[in-house]
Amino acid sequence: EVQLVETGGGLVQPGRSLKLSCVASGFTFSSYWMYWIRQAPGKGLEWVSSINTDGGSTYYPDSVKGRFTISRDNAENTVYLQMNSLRSEDTATYYCAKEGNPWGQGTLVTVSS
Amino acid sequence: DIQMTQSPPSLSASLGDKVTITCQASQNINKYIAWYQQKPGKAPRQLIRYTSTLVSGTPSRFSGSGSGRDYSFSISNVESEDIASYYCLQYDNLPWTFGGGTKLELK
Repeated sequence: EVQLVETGGGLVQPGRSLKLSCVASGFTFSSYWMYWIRQAPGKGLEWVSSINTDGGSTYYPDSVKGRFTISRDNAENTVYLQMNSLRSEDTATYYCAKEGNPWGQGTLVTVSS
Repeated sequence: DIQMTQSPPSLSASLGDKVTITCQASQNINKYIAWYQQKPGKAPRQLIRYTSTLVSGTPSRFSGSGSGRDYSFSISNVESEDIASYYCLQYDNLPWTFGGGTKLELK
């Protein structure tokens, strides 16, 4: 059974950092691009980051570029999202995903003083 | 960035109805559009990719079509389990962009 399990969310002050993890199981992790997508409370979906199979190529929208870093450890079947200089507008549920289904259950990040 | 204009924002349907949601891209997206279903408190689930390809497990009452800038997503014979929000996603160009969503409710 394919599973994606995110951890690392929580309450953090503006300007601080947080690192999310997503552990994958049930498929050949190293063969798949991985993605982070977020959803602010009561709002729509926003693509946050993509990483290719070997981690050599990463992509971000302007809203997080320079602040967020996606990485992966294929030996540990894990994808990460390092989030620096967090802002209130980064408050959202962060989902880990691969092509198709399922997505992870999401982890809530709240940026507030 | 490519803008995805999704309509309507909300939709009311009776069981057994056919409903259609549209997404218009601000430029040609070469059929690289996917459709997602999200139920309250749950993660989104991909239903369709590349305009009309049903993802494994997607019931056949769901369908997608379109080309160029204009795309549509339909549910024939709406069932109670289809009550959810639906989003389109263009993945032709970075940054990937989602439509604003359509909330499907029961009439």
